[in-house]
Amino acid sequence: AQKITQTQPGMFVQEKEAVTLDCTYDTSDPSYGLFWYKQPSSGEMIFLIYQGSYDQQNATEGRYSLNFQKARKSANLVISASQLGDSAMYFCAMREVGGGTSYGKLTFGQGTILTVHP
Amino acid sequence: NAGVTQTPKFRILKIGQSMTLQCAQDMNHNYMYWYRQDPGMGLKLIYYSVGAGITDKGEVPNGYNVSRSTTEDFPLRLELAAPSQTSVYFCASDRGQGETQYFGPGTRLLVL
Repeated sequence: AQKITQTQPGMFVQEKEAVTLDCTYDTSDPSYGLFWYKQPSSGEMIFLIYQGSYDQQNATEGRYSLNFQKARKSANLVISASQLGDSAMYFCAMREVGGGTSYGKLTFGQGTILTVHP
Repeated sequence: NAGVTQTPKFRILKIGQSMTLQCAQDMNHNYMYWYRQDPGMGLKLIYYSVGAGITDKGEVPNGYNVSRSTTEDFPLRLELAAPSQTSVYFCASDRGQGETQYFGPGTRLLVL
């Protein structure tokens, strides 16, 4: 069964600095996708970035980048130049795309609360 | 494009009551999902559907039922509400494979 682990319940960062949010995963499927979502206090789920298991390069989307280390089964989110508006809960998620009973389903980690200080 | 819409936004139920949470998407996505999020936790999959007429259980299906008569709509039915079903419910949709999953705004349910 697939599993996502986020070991940092909370993180603090100074405005304009970079921060890394950790995510490790476990799956036996060779084909999978890794996602990061942001959930601000208003509650909606906002898609940030996606990394496919066969992608050769780390994904980047503006200030977000994904540090994908396949052998270590880690998919850490790096936020550069933090802003006050980045304060939110961040979820790492994985879906298996290679078939089987878990096909298409997203499995979420417990989340990391990021607080950006001015 | 409205994306994924959910109604109602908030509801209080008494123990034993039933209700249907509505979800609709206008992106012609085949895949639709229902998750619940308990306070301070990640999302857990309740049910999902890979197309009209096809549904399957997720991680926490007990106490819920779904139907998928059209591509656009995927209602979630709660029968005999219990306090353990107090949660925020998210509906989501995507094209399948490794595509990005889009979420609705959520329905906050309180069972007293």
